Amino acid sequence: QKEVEQNSGPLSVPEGAIASLNCTYSDRGSQSFFWYRQYSGKSPELIMSIYSNGDKEDGRFTAQLNKASQYVSLLIRDSQPSDSATYLCAVNPGYSSASKIIFGSGTRLSIRP
Amino acid sequence: KAGVTQTPRYLIKTRGQQVTLSCSPISGHRSVSWYQQTPGQGLQFLFEYFSETQRNKGNFPGRFSGRQFSNSRSEMNVSTLELGDSALYLCASGWEDGWGTQYFGPGTRLLVL
Repeated sequence: QKEVEQNSGPLSVPEGAIASLNCTYSDRGSQSFFWYRQYSGKSPELIMSIYSNGDKEDGRFTAQLNKASQYVSLLIRDSQPSDSATYLCAVNPGYSSASKIIFGSGTRLSIRP
Repeated sequence: KAGVTQTPRYLIKTRGQQVTLSCSPISGHRSVSWYQQTPGQGLQFLFEYFSETQRNKGNFPGRFSGRQFSNSRSEMNVSTLELGDSALYLCASGWEDGWGTQYFGPGTRLLVL
């Protein structure tokens, strides 16, 4: 059973600090990795995708991928109250269609003023 | 570029009825996937369509069906509604790029009474 694991949280981070969200996956052959942000009652919004080992930065967001250790993380710098949401990690176990993507159950992030 | 659109946004039905939900993908996207999201189960894959063909189906009963039209628009149908079908139904579209990048629509919130 291919799995994607996330700590459900809630993860509470003070405003202005760095929020670190982690995700581990079981299929060593996984090729692409995504982070989605989902506000309560809304649909998931794609915020980062990463395909190669290392870091990928986009504004305040940095995705980190370590295929050897089978984890992907999302760092949010200078956390803002608007970052309070559930963050879903998604993993494509192969170079394949979207239907194979496995979603984690999400980590609830709360930014406290 | 317009995002994924879904209609209707909200729906209230009674047990035993049937419902049809519609999804218009981002222009140029030919892959459309449907998901059910509930608080207890998270994101559950329903099916994926590509070029009017169902490419994959999740572990849902036959009451759940879908189709895709030549313009890539997709519909899903749920017959003989049950209380447990109350959920947020999400449509996601993407390119056929192998990475599985997909973008979600706003969702249809279905309440079955």
